[in-house]
Amino acid sequence: DAKTTQPTSMDCAEGRAANLPCNHSTISGNEYVYWYRQIHSQGPQYIIHGLKNNETNEMASLIITEDRKSSTLILPHATLRDTAVYYCIVRVPLSSSNTGKLIFGQGTTLQVKP
Amino acid sequence: DTGVSQDPRHKITKRGQNVTFRCDPISEHNRLYWYRQTLGQGPEFLTYFQNEAQLEKSRLLSDRFSAERPKGSFSTLEIQRTEQGDSAMYLCASSSYRENTEAFFGQGTRLTVV
Repeated sequence: DAKTTQPTSMDCAEGRAANLPCNHSTISGNEYVYWYRQIHSQGPQYIIHGLKNNETNEMASLIITEDRKSSTLILPHATLRDTAVYYCIVRVPLSSSNTGKLIFGQGTTLQVKP
Repeated sequence: DTGVSQDPRHKITKRGQNVTFRCDPISEHNRLYWYRQTLGQGPEFLTYFQNEAQLEKSRLLSDRFSAERPKGSFSTLEIQRTEQGDSAMYLCASSSYRENTEAFFGQGTRLTVV
């Protein structure tokens, strides 16, 4: 079972920041938080991941609370092309004894509106 | 680096027929995953390869399913005696051996069993 909880759907106005929350209250100390998104009929696309510090890349920012029980993915200036299902996943580090498989939940359907 | 490639993109088959899908991972990625995604659901893990060794299989992978990864390069997923319930998107992903690394997905093969 997925170890994260996300809202089923969210709307965002084009050009505004999209803030997608995720709860992962049972996260273990060595588990990372990963975010993927899936645009209709395409394979999931990696966005960002982090352990405890906030992270930023060219696509998004990831804010992880100090207790690591929740996080927020921020798309700073949402466009219509950001309309997708966004998945928040917790994942143990890859190792010789761990496959690193991703356990997907239902995700959040983000609709960016003009 | 052209990303993870899957072939075919679409497959329509009659119930009872066998089908085979191919996945070409990113070169030098030694970890390879297969997932299945049905309509409205997140992807579900099927099986994992580390190089040519199949190290984990989900209980979703019934006896009619078999996967191979000869020589640790491309992988194939075969479904024998297809059933209508096998209709889904079959996704392949690959990642490197680094501990803290993302998995990259292909565009998937959409199977329709009629």
